[in-house]
Amino acid sequence: KQEVTQIPAALSVPEGENLVLNCSFTDSAIYNLQWFRQDPGKGLTSLLLIQSSQREQTSGRLNASLDKSSGRSTLYIAASQPGDSATYLCAPRDVNTGFQKLVFGTGTRLLVSP
Amino acid sequence: EAQVTQNPRYLITVTGKKLTVTCSQNMNHEYMSWYRQDPGLGLRQIYYSMNVEVTDKGDVPEGYKVSRKEKRNFPLILESPSPNQTSLYFCASSRLAGDTQYFGPGTRLTVL
Repeated sequence: KQEVTQIPAALSVPEGENLVLNCSFTDSAIYNLQWFRQDPGKGLTSLLLIQSSQREQTSGRLNASLDKSSGRSTLYIAASQPGDSATYLCAPRDVNTGFQKLVFGTGTRLLVSP
Repeated sequence: EAQVTQNPRYLITVTGKKLTVTCSQNMNHEYMSWYRQDPGLGLRQIYYSMNVEVTDKGDVPEGYKVSRKEKRNFPLILESPSPNQTSLYFCASSRLAGDTQYFGPGTRLTVL
């Protein structure tokens, strides 16, 4: 059964810092992996989807990397801003479950202070 | 605007009173899914649907029902709600099962 761990659970940084959020998963047989952000009291917003054949995916100040064989993905946020404050969730999609299910970690809560 | 909508957004009810949470998407997506989010447990899948009239159980289906009679709608039914179903519920959809999932705004349910 796929298990997803995100470290750190919480992170507080000053504005402008570059930061890395980590995601590890136990079953490397994944189809792809999706990163989301969740704002308090709101739904999930998709940030990036990285296919199992890809090493990196970029969108603006965000860069996600994937090392499938070691069961790790990282989300790099460049030049952080207060508006980046949110909980970040990673979710791999298993090959063995027929691609139909995302398995979520419990997230990293990020606070960027001005 | 492409979106997933859920109603109601907030609901307080009592044990045993049947309720339905609606979910609708306007993106012509084939795949839809329901999740619940609980502190310390993250998001867990309740049910999913690969297409019209095709539904299957996720990880925590007990106490829930779903139906998919139209492509755009995927209601979640609690026939006899219990306090352990107090949670934050999310509906999601994607073009196909392996594609980017888009989430609704969530429904916060409290069962007394």
